Amino acid sequence: SQKIEQNSEALNIQEGKTATLTCNYTNYSPAYLQWYRQDPGRGPVFLLLIRENEKEKRKERLKVTFDTTLKQSLFHITASQPADSATYLCALDPEYGNKLVFGAGTILRVKS
Amino acid sequence: DTAVSQTPKYLVTQMGNDKSIKCEQNLGHDTMYWYKQDSKKFLKIMFSYNNKELIINETVPNRFSPKSPDKAHLNLHINSLELGDSAVYFCASSPRTGSSPLHFGNGTRLTVT
Repeated sequence: SQKIEQNSEALNIQEGKTATLTCNYTNYSPAYLQWYRQDPGRGPVFLLLIRENEKEKRKERLKVTFDTTLKQSLFHITASQPADSATYLCALDPEYGNKLVFGAGTILRVKS
Repeated sequence: DTAVSQTPKYLVTQMGNDKSIKCEQNLGHDTMYWYKQDSKKFLKIMFSYNNKELIINETVPNRFSPKSPDKAHLNLHINSLELGDSAVYFCASSPRTGSSPLHFGNGTRLTVT
């Protein structure tokens, strides 16, 4: 069956460290993958999109990698801050029609 | 300036009632969506409209009926509400179909008692 899996346990890290979140997928061959941030009581906010022919994408302190062989995307936040605490969702589109399928998200807590 | 706005933010109602959720976007996007986020936090697509035309209709009970009077608005009407309909419903928009990122509203928390 098709699945998107993100770390179900919360990730707790110290301020200033690099946070690494994992998104694994099974039985999909997505052309691209997206990452979103969701704060409590708010809608998801788009962060980054990476295409299958891109190994890495960066935006300020954020970096995403996409390994289509491993069927995995890694999301990194360098020099993390307490304000980075949120739930991070990965999403892919199996049919290239913007019918995004989301993972359940990973809660990140950055402690000062 | 709110890009995607939904009303109401909270909706508490009894089983069997009919309710509507409204959504408006001022981004000039062509495509709008309804997503449902259940208690396990999974976001699942329900419907998508492109320029007022229904293009995605997932396996959703017939009690749910979307309506798009124009491309800036997408409303969701739910008939005969059931306990299992309790969830957070998110409206979203994107410039077009394909790989466009989604812009989400802040959700409507529906509680059916």
